[in-house]
Amino acid sequence: DTEVTQTPKHLVMGMTNKKSLKCEQHMGHRAMYWYKQKAKKPPELMFVYSYEKLSINESVPSRFSPECPNSSLLNLHLHALQPEDSALYLCASSQDQGETQYFGPGTRLLVL
Amino acid sequence: AQSVAQPEDQVNVAEGNPLTVKCTYSVSGNPYLFWYVQYPNRGLQFLLKYITGDNLVKGSYGFEAEFNKSQTSFHLKKPSALVSDSALYFCAVRQHNTDKLIFGTGTRLQVFP
Repeated sequence: DTEVTQTPKHLVMGMTNKKSLKCEQHMGHRAMYWYKQKAKKPPELMFVYSYEKLSINESVPSRFSPECPNSSLLNLHLHALQPEDSALYLCASSQDQGETQYFGPGTRLLVL
Repeated sequence: AQSVAQPEDQVNVAEGNPLTVKCTYSVSGNPYLFWYVQYPNRGLQFLLKYITGDNLVKGSYGFEAEFNKSQTSFHLKKPSALVSDSALYFCAVRQHNTDKLIFGTGTRLQVFP
C-alpha cells in the first residue's frame, strides 16, 4: 500500500479565514513533506518532518503553520492567506528522509 | 549544486510509437535520480529511480530510463506509447547534503491516437 491521503480535495477560503489541510499515511514512513505547486510548474518544497520533528522549513511565511501530531498525520494550518497562495498543496511521505517520496492527490486551494 | 534540466516543454508522439522524455543532471558525487508522472489535477506518481547498479532501470506502466554517466542524462523511455500516457513528467535529483528532491521544470507528453 503506497497511499497517501489528503483532505479536503478542494478548499475555498477568504483572506481572513483559518483552515487546515490534512495528510495521512499508514505505510510506517517516518518522513513527511508539504509541497506547493502552481499550475504547470514543479512542486516547491515547503516543510519536511522527520521522526515527527520539523527538519526543513524553506523560509515559508508564517501564515502557513505545519503540525505533525503523530507519525501518520501531517497538518498544514492556514491563516490570513493571500490570493497568490492559491495552488495545489501536495503532501508526500517516505520511509526515511531522502528515500523515495510517495505523493498524495493534493488539495486544490483557492484564496479569494 | 545539484540540478536537473528537462529541455523540452512538450513532447508529441503518435500512439504505438516509442517515446523519449529527456532529462540531464548536474550533481557532485553519485546521483540519485527519479521520474514522476502527474495526471491533471492529481498528485505525482513515482515511476522509477536510479541509485546504483544497472544503467537501465525499469519502472511502472512499462516505462524505463537509461542512466548515462558520460552524458549526465537520465532519459525516460517507453517502447510503445499509449494515449493514456499523456501527462506531465518530472525528473528529479536528490540533493546530497539536505536529501531534498530537486525537480526539473517538467515535460508535457501528448500522445495522439
